[in-house]
Amino acid sequence: DAKTTQPNSMESNEEEPVHLPCNHSTISGTDYIHWYRQLPSQGPEYVIHGLTSNVNNRMASLAIAEDRKSSTLILHRATLRDAAVYYCILRDWGKSGGGADGLTFGKGTHLIIQP
Amino acid sequence: KAGVTQTPRYLIKTRGQQVTLSCSPISGHRSVSWYQQTPGQGLQFLFEYFSETQRNKGNFPGRFSGRQFSNSRSEMNVSTLELGDSALYLCASSLGGEAGNTIYFGEGSWLTVV
Repeated sequence: DAKTTQPNSMESNEEEPVHLPCNHSTISGTDYIHWYRQLPSQGPEYVIHGLTSNVNNRMASLAIAEDRKSSTLILHRATLRDAAVYYCILRDWGKSGGGADGLTFGKGTHLIIQP
Repeated sequence: KAGVTQTPRYLIKTRGQQVTLSCSPISGHRSVSWYQQTPGQGLQFLFEYFSETQRNKGNFPGRFSGRQFSNSRSEMNVSTLELGDSALYLCASSLGGEAGNTIYFGEGSWLTVV
């Protein structure tokens, strides 16, 4: 799986937007971009995923660069409950279906929310 | 809709023993995968099962094994436990393992080896 690069940590204030960057310069045309987050003492939680176009859901928005070499997870109004480690993961749909690879987690970004 | 359920949540074992962890996927999900999380190595993929067949395996020794039953429930087993096997073991399920499918994780089983 292609690698991703994320900042080790970021800090934001409560009720402000948060932009979490992810670089994936070696992304292939068949890689989906997935974001997961892990709250303390819990399993990872799905946040959002996309392939080429920007995506929105009730949790967040995913902005994908035109060349797909980077993406940004946007939390529109951070709350204390959003404090977690956020993982940006690439998943190759070209490999799946007959032998799905597991998710390859990096170190992620530790998001700190200040009240 | 019930989420991914893992049992037991916490357990303590002695070096040399074996352990079996259980996972019930979300209803309708046929793909089950397992991960190990440690402070040093982070989250690492163990293996993935689909329709009772192991389709993929991470880089772990043969002491780590698993199986999936016809109802998609899965178990993983670790034999001859070592201190380094102390970790959070996470089970995840999805519809079919395709890259566009969402993967849902359980809360994990905390294993301590003493």
